[in-house]
Amino acid sequence: SYELTQPPSVSVSPGQTASITCSGDKLGDKYVSWYQQRPGQSPVLLISQDTRRPSGIPERFSGSNSGNTATLTISGTQAMDEADYYCQAWGNGPNYVFGTGTKVTVL
Amino acid sequence: EVQLLESGGVLIQPGGSLRLSCAASGFTFSSYAMSWVRQAPGKGLEWVSYISVTGDTTHYADSVKGRFTISRDNSKNTLYLQMSNLRPDDTAVYYCAIAGYYENYAFDIWGQGTMVTVSS
Repeated sequence: SYELTQPPSVSVSPGQTASITCSGDKLGDKYVSWYQQRPGQSPVLLISQDTRRPSGIPERFSGSNSGNTATLTISGTQAMDEADYYCQAWGNGPNYVFGTGTKVTVL
Repeated sequence: EVQLLESGGVLIQPGGSLRLSCAASGFTFSSYAMSWVRQAPGKGLEWVSYISVTGDTTHYADSVKGRFTISRDNSKNTLYLQMSNLRPDDTAVYYCAIAGYYENYAFDIWGQGTMVTVSS
């Protein structure tokens, strides 16, 4: 089965840039979406189709996808960005696999 | 306002059966495929099942295939997940979600979730 691997944790200082990677075989051939989940809350879509930012999502969130790795970048990280982040790949057929998740800590 | 409201989560013994519901409002339910996604305590997200607009196409994760059945009643704007032969590792918050309401290739609308605990 297809697997997506993320680092378990990422630490970042306020105002700095955080990068979260998502690795999978030929991931660049698939669409990747990213979700933010704060404790006790439902996931929220941050990025769709590798780079699209839905209405209402701050510009500091951006995405890229190439080769075997997709990346979510948080520029100018704020304390409110402390949360869990998940990638998801959309390939052929309804196999909506999620990544392992990354906990972002804003120090 | 687009809303999904899950219900039906309870504490249930291993081997038992349970039906979850997801009530949709604020949009044309019959126009969108739906999915269930779950999250075990302290763990990541896991897609569980998908159903097409008309209900004639369904898909399941290997972990639930043969035990769970997804269905929908478009006249009642409601999505269901019939769960049988439940196991302790089915313990999770179950979310219903729409893919493609605002954004293609993404789950862009989520419910608040309902907790299922499988334990003796």
